[in-house]
Amino acid sequence: AQKVTQAQTEISVVEKEDVTLDCVYETRDTTYYLFWYKQPPSGELVFLIRRNSFDEQNEISGRYSWNFQKSTSSFNFTITASQVVDSAVYFCALSELGNAGNMLTFGGGTRLMVKP
Amino acid sequence: GAGVSQTPSNKVTEKGKYVELRCDPISGHTALYWYRQSLGQGPEFLIYFQGTGAADDSGLPNDRFFAVRPEGSVSTLKIQRTERGDSAVYLCASSSQPAYEQYFGPGTRLTVT
Repeated sequence: AQKVTQAQTEISVVEKEDVTLDCVYETRDTTYYLFWYKQPPSGELVFLIRRNSFDEQNEISGRYSWNFQKSTSSFNFTITASQVVDSAVYFCALSELGNAGNMLTFGGGTRLMVKP
Repeated sequence: GAGVSQTPSNKVTEKGKYVELRCDPISGHTALYWYRQSLGQGPEFLIYFQGTGAADDSGLPNDRFFAVRPEGSVSTLKIQRTERGDSAVYLCASSSQPAYEQYFGPGTRLTVT
């Protein structure tokens, strides 16, 4: 069965600091997809990124970057030069190709607080 | 374009009552999902529709929960004989295809008193 673990429940940083959110997953499938979502105080989940299990290239999008390592079953998310607007709960999620609908299995989330 | 919409945004009901929660997915999205999010936790899968049929309902907690999508667009989640433990935010998501990114609605906060 699939499982996603986000060991950091809460992180607090000062604006302009870099911060990395950890995500470790478990799956028996060889083909799967990993996601990150942001849930700001307004509550609506915002899609950030989707990666498939065959693409281990790191990705950068502005101040965001993602490090996917199959050897350690991790898909970590780094925010460079954090800003107050980055304050939110961030969820890592996994979907397996073997599941009919590719439903998402979420981690417990990491609450990031960026202080001015 | 319009995103996923859900109504009502808030619903307060008494224990034992019946409730219906509505989801209107992004136009053209054939895959529709319902999740439930309790306070301080990640969303948990309830049911998945591909078109009109419920392709996977393995996440529904018991037979008090039921969902339909009769015309392959709007979906309704139905909860009978509500219990206080059903209190949560119910999230709907849609995607253009399974395994593609899912786009979430704002959720319906259900409170059972």
